[in-house]
Amino acid sequence: AQSVTQPDIHITVSEGASLELRCNYSYGATPYLFWYVQSPGQGLQLLLKYLSGDTLVQGIKGFEAEFKRSQSSFNLRKPSVHWSDAAEYFCAVDHTGGFKTIFGAGTRLFVKA
Amino acid sequence: GAVVSQHPSWVICKSGTSVKIECRSLDFQATTMFWYRQFPKQSLMLMATSNEGSKATYEQGVEKDKFLINHASLTLSTLTVTSAHPEDSSFYICSARDSGSGNQPQHFGDGTRLSIL
Repeated sequence: AQSVTQPDIHITVSEGASLELRCNYSYGATPYLFWYVQSPGQGLQLLLKYLSGDTLVQGIKGFEAEFKRSQSSFNLRKPSVHWSDAAEYFCAVDHTGGFKTIFGAGTRLFVKA
Repeated sequence: GAVVSQHPSWVICKSGTSVKIECRSLDFQATTMFWYRQFPKQSLMLMATSNEGSKATYEQGVEKDKFLINHASLTLSTLTVTSAHPEDSSFYICSARDSGSGNQPQHFGDGTRLSIL
């Protein structure tokens, strides 16, 4: 069965520092992969997606992610974090057969001044 | 871009009340919509897949008689929590796929916070 693992429950970084959020997936075929961000009490906003092609994908708000098939990973990165980036981040994989999306447990990002 | 509207955003009601939550795709047609439940500080758990014109597909462990789903048009799905009790209090989020966009990501509503007293 498909699964998504986000090993870090929470991460704290200083404003201006770089960020990497980890995501590993388990899926039989090449997956469709997504990163979403959720602010408290809000719905989910899509940051970026990997469907095929270039394994380094660019998203909104300066985020990027790299699909590494050999490591079954899709880590999210940002070179310089802003205080407004503090939120919950979810990695997700699409079960293309049933069009369901499986979410990781999420990583809460704290940004310190 | 595509927008999914979810209403209401916040509901407080007494135990035993039934509550209806609407999910609308505003500028695209969605043959499939999804309903999620999210407990505090947890991830989204898929409750059911709503299919336009047919019965919803519920995930294992979700009571279909408790959580009634209706998807009567290509732009509207509703979730009714029947005879709600305090343990049903949660954040409910819907999402929709654009029927004409292939395997593109879901678009999410802003969620409904349900509090049962």
